[in-house]
Amino acid sequence: NAGVTQTPKFQVLKTGQSMTLQCAQDMNHNSMYWYRQDPGMGLRLIYYSASEGTTDKGEVPNGYNVSRLNKREFSLRLESAAPSQTSVYFCASSEGTRTGGEQFFGPGTRLTVL
Amino acid sequence: DAKTTQPPSMDCAEGRAANLPCNHSTISGNEYVYWYRQIHSQGPQYIIHGLKNNETNEMASLIITEDRKSSTLILPHATLRDTAVYYCIVLKFYFGTGTSLTVIP
Repeated sequence: NAGVTQTPKFQVLKTGQSMTLQCAQDMNHNSMYWYRQDPGMGLRLIYYSASEGTTDKGEVPNGYNVSRLNKREFSLRLESAAPSQTSVYFCASSEGTRTGGEQFFGPGTRLTVL
Repeated sequence: DAKTTQPPSMDCAEGRAANLPCNHSTISGNEYVYWYRQIHSQGPQYIIHGLKNNETNEMASLIITEDRKSSTLILPHATLRDTAVYYCIVLKFYFGTGTSLTVIP
């Protein structure tokens, strides 16, 4: 059981470049989440998905898009990266379709936008 | 919206109990209290949760006041590996800035 995996672990982008952060879970969880964490700050929710085929905005969705490809995978896309998106990105999953609850987190992707 | 208030930092001597407080005075009747911790820059790790009764698991105990306006996470015998940021969460996605616990040898 790998739990929640994220790729890549590190990424450096130039302003305006695009990229997709990948997340997969092998726990058969229904709900998945993307958070960002800026230095010295708590986590902020970007998007979440209560079940396959559904996505909803969180606290800070601007500049991001998501895709719930199937039950296992939930990707986060930056279409035109900006320095303000420099952050650590965490993916998480939880069992129920009622979102929240006990969330299992991945190791994070550390993104720097120059 | 039920948000939480936690002290920014605390110290605890190794081997002693660490008591981490959390205020959630605007909590609704059906909202659970969840605790997570984040060691260094790793992903947060779930610790425990409760609704109104006290809870205990292999990691910690959770004491919730009768009026549910506050709670305390107790690590009964803190070790150096418990040094982390501890988050108390009521509003389900709001992690806040947590309490940075340092366990001192």
